[in-house]
Amino acid sequence: EAQVTQNPRYLITVTGKKLTVTCSQNMNHEYMSWYRQDPGLGLRQIYYSMNVEVTDKGDVPEGYKVSRKEKRNFPLILESPSPNQTSLYFCASNPGQGRFTDTQYFGPGTRLTVL
Amino acid sequence: AQTVTQSQPEMSVQEAETVTLSCTYDTSESDYYLFWYKQPPSRQMILVIRQEAYKQQNATENRFSVNFQKAAKSFSLKISDSQLGDAAMYFCAYRRGYDKVIFGPGTSLSVIP
Repeated sequence: EAQVTQNPRYLITVTGKKLTVTCSQNMNHEYMSWYRQDPGLGLRQIYYSMNVEVTDKGDVPEGYKVSRKEKRNFPLILESPSPNQTSLYFCASNPGQGRFTDTQYFGPGTRLTVL
Repeated sequence: AQTVTQSQPEMSVQEAETVTLSCTYDTSESDYYLFWYKQPPSRQMILVIRQEAYKQQNATENRFSVNFQKAAKSFSLKISDSQLGDAAMYFCAYRRGYDKVIFGPGTSLSVIP
């Protein structure tokens, strides 16, 4: 089944404790992206990657890191989480070629709470 | 900078009736894509409909259709014959190629039996 997976789905942590949210897609997509969703603000793009070893900042990159060492994986790293990073996080991917290169496939979301 | 505005935080519709959700955007580009996503209580993001800016014809997917007014930078979603399963948060989104994707703040749609 074609899908984007995220782990963990739920996470409660404390301020300053490094964490990683994994994202993996099995569709051989070139493009991957991370978003955070907050009430009244919709989804805001954190980082995106157009291919392996190519990443770029979205609208709200502060406090986050990403890496793209393999095509299928795009982990989101919070080196020192703070309470204002409490949010719902989505990973998404889309193909770099073909008819629907613009259409994103979303993961199920990760609910992160930073105490 | 591109922005996407959804002026209706909440909407409601009677089952079997028609409802229109509004979306406006701001861009200086001529080539881009627009989307409507549905987010039910499960939080999964589901693509409802997409529109390529260079196409004048409005996109349609079963009971969902859009009214795309490029000059006015307007992209509204019409849901016909509303069903209980249509109750969700709806997000309008703008994308230019592989560049940033901008989402609106969302409209929460309730369907009244």
